Amino acid sequence: GDSVTQTEGLVTVTEGLPVKLNCTYQTTYLTIAFFWYVQYLNEAPQVLLKSSTDNKRTEHQGFHATLHKSSSSFHLQKSSAQLSDSALYYCALNSNNRIFFGDGTQLVVKP
Amino acid sequence: EAAVTQSPRNKVTVTGGNVTLSCRQTNSHNYMYWYRQDTGHGLRLIHYSYGAGNLQIGDVPDGYKATRTTQEDFFLLLELASPSQTSLYFCASSDGRGRHTEVFFGKGTRLTVV
Repeated sequence: GDSVTQTEGLVTVTEGLPVKLNCTYQTTYLTIAFFWYVQYLNEAPQVLLKSSTDNKRTEHQGFHATLHKSSSSFHLQKSSAQLSDSALYYCALNSNNRIFFGDGTQLVVKP
Repeated sequence: EAAVTQSPRNKVTVTGGNVTLSCRQTNSHNYMYWYRQDTGHGLRLIHYSYGAGNLQIGDVPDGYKATRTTQEDFFLLLELASPSQTSLYFCASSDGRGRHTEVFFGKGTRLTVV
């Protein structure tokens, strides 16, 4: 079946340094889309960025991700973390309108 | 932007009690979802629906029933609540048109079973 794996439950980074959140997946479908959702404290999750094109970089709000079907990955990266980036991040895939979420990675950006 | 409204926002009930969580979306989306969110487990799908009268089973359905009465309204029912069902519950909707369709979440209902 379909699944999404986020290996880190917590990532701590110093402000201004780069950050990478890992996401790998398993799926039997060929036509699916991938998402990163962000959830700020006491708010609902919301879409950060999305992609379905292999090897194409997608960017939004300073974050970027590239879908690599060869390695089944969709890692989220930012070159310079900001204090306001502290939040819970979910990787997700849409398989026939059933959305599979990873367990989430809590990002803490320290001054 | 899609509007998804959940009620109540907070609920406390006793073990064995009967609870109904309500969700309404106002953008004519076809798909509606109920998730629970727990630390270490992320967002887990309980039930979902692709239209009035339709119900699909999610990944953690035990102890939950759901009903989609109209295009707009989706209810989650806990008929014999247990402490293990203490959680933050999110309702969500999407138009279901294409693989890039986004899911829009409500603000959540915090349920405590004592």
